[in-house]
Amino acid sequence: LAKTTQPISMDSYEGQEVNITCSHNNIATNDYITWYQQFPSQGPRFIIQGYKTKVTNEVASLFIPADRKSSTLSLPRVSLSDTAVYYCLVGDGTGANNLFFGTGTRLTVIP
Amino acid sequence: DAGITQSPRHKVTETGTPVTLRCHQTENHRYMYWYRQDPGHGLRLIHYSYGVKDTDKGEVSDGYSVSRSKTEDFLLTLESATSSQTSVYFCAIRRQDINSPLHFGNGTRLTVT
Repeated sequence: LAKTTQPISMDSYEGQEVNITCSHNNIATNDYITWYQQFPSQGPRFIIQGYKTKVTNEVASLFIPADRKSSTLSLPRVSLSDTAVYYCLVGDGTGANNLFFGTGTRLTVIP
Repeated sequence: DAGITQSPRHKVTETGTPVTLRCHQTENHRYMYWYRQDPGHGLRLIHYSYGVKDTDKGEVSDGYSVSRSKTEDFLLTLESATSSQTSVYFCAIRRQDINSPLHFGNGTRLTVT
């Protein structure tokens, strides 16, 4: 499995930009990088996906350097409702059916 | 919930009894997955399916079997439940190709006593 490493937890104040970095040193050529958000008692929810450079949607941006060995999820102006666990995933290069979720990053937004 | 319904949402059962969890999708997507989530382990893949009657094992498949007799339903069976199978089980689908994101249901909380 293509494993990922993320910080276990982060704290941020409301209104700040939050950047969560994920390391994936053994990412394969065909792998996409995908981020999910999970609230308690719910399934993970897709946030954003990218292959290289920068991707932006209505909720987040994803920055991927040229070597693709890491990626950074950027959440602009977080609110209390952004308190959740964030997972970074990469495909395993063999069809992306077995994805390593890890334990994610627990983000706590403080008033 | 991406058109995914998991049932039941909660279940308590005794050790040694068979249990079947159901995942139903309304959009006829090809790929379906079963994950379990436990504290300290994140989500781990149990089994997945890439079409009717086409299934394969994931990382933690021991003690579980699956069936997919029609596109919309993916069943997870614990033939003889054990306490180590107490967990939250999530079903997921992919809407498009193999690199498209997973979309998850709201989970089934299973307790084996």
